[in-house]
Amino acid sequence: DTGVSQDPRHKITKRGQNVTFRCDPISEHNRLYWYRQTLGQGPEFLTYFQNEAQLEKSRLLSDRFSAERPKGSFSTLEIQRTEQGDSAMYLCASTAGMFEKLFFGSGTQLSVL
Amino acid sequence: EDKVVQSPLSLVVHEGDTVTLNCSYEVTNFRSLLWYKQEKKAPTFLFMLTSSGIEKKSGRLSSILDKKELFSILNITATQTGDSAVYLCAVEDVSNFGNEKLTFGTGTRLTIIP
Repeated sequence: DTGVSQDPRHKITKRGQNVTFRCDPISEHNRLYWYRQTLGQGPEFLTYFQNEAQLEKSRLLSDRFSAERPKGSFSTLEIQRTEQGDSAMYLCASTAGMFEKLFFGSGTQLSVL
Repeated sequence: EDKVVQSPLSLVVHEGDTVTLNCSYEVTNFRSLLWYKQEKKAPTFLFMLTSSGIEKKSGRLSSILDKKELFSILNITATQTGDSAVYLCAVEDVSNFGNEKLTFGTGTRLTIIP
């Protein structure tokens, strides 16, 4: 257990439905990242928060994706009108500083039918 | 566009063998290179390399960086079945927005046969 928790672990949804994932980082970590990983690929950057501010969002991310981190604590990632291509593992990671101390959660596995 | 390329994509060896995993990169504002091990879900940190030619070592694992040739290798000696995993290479750089970010390679899937 890395101390970063994600919920749910698995989500199966039908195409067109909205889904929301939650990430609880390690409490003193001010930096939070979301990544997406598909089978046979490495994690792909989605978005980055420093405290409550969303400082960067991947240009690969469509308008159907939105993320929040209210009060700089937990974060949520919402996907609206899901598509089959959204099926992937969504990983959250947090750190207080250097990437040497970046800790990943176990991820949420999304399957869109 | 930043690029991290790992080779081989997969590798199957017998227990006790030594393996070398490769990572080459092209990034704009290099800060460091990191290696992770991913067994089931969460990648776990192995090494962070910032300087050329300085070997980092942890037990049977070691890694070195060449910033002139833009590559790194991860060596595992006397492999064990517990080493079976996907090994990810990631490069830290600074994005156009001034934020540090990691760009990952596709990983090398290592399988150790008893």
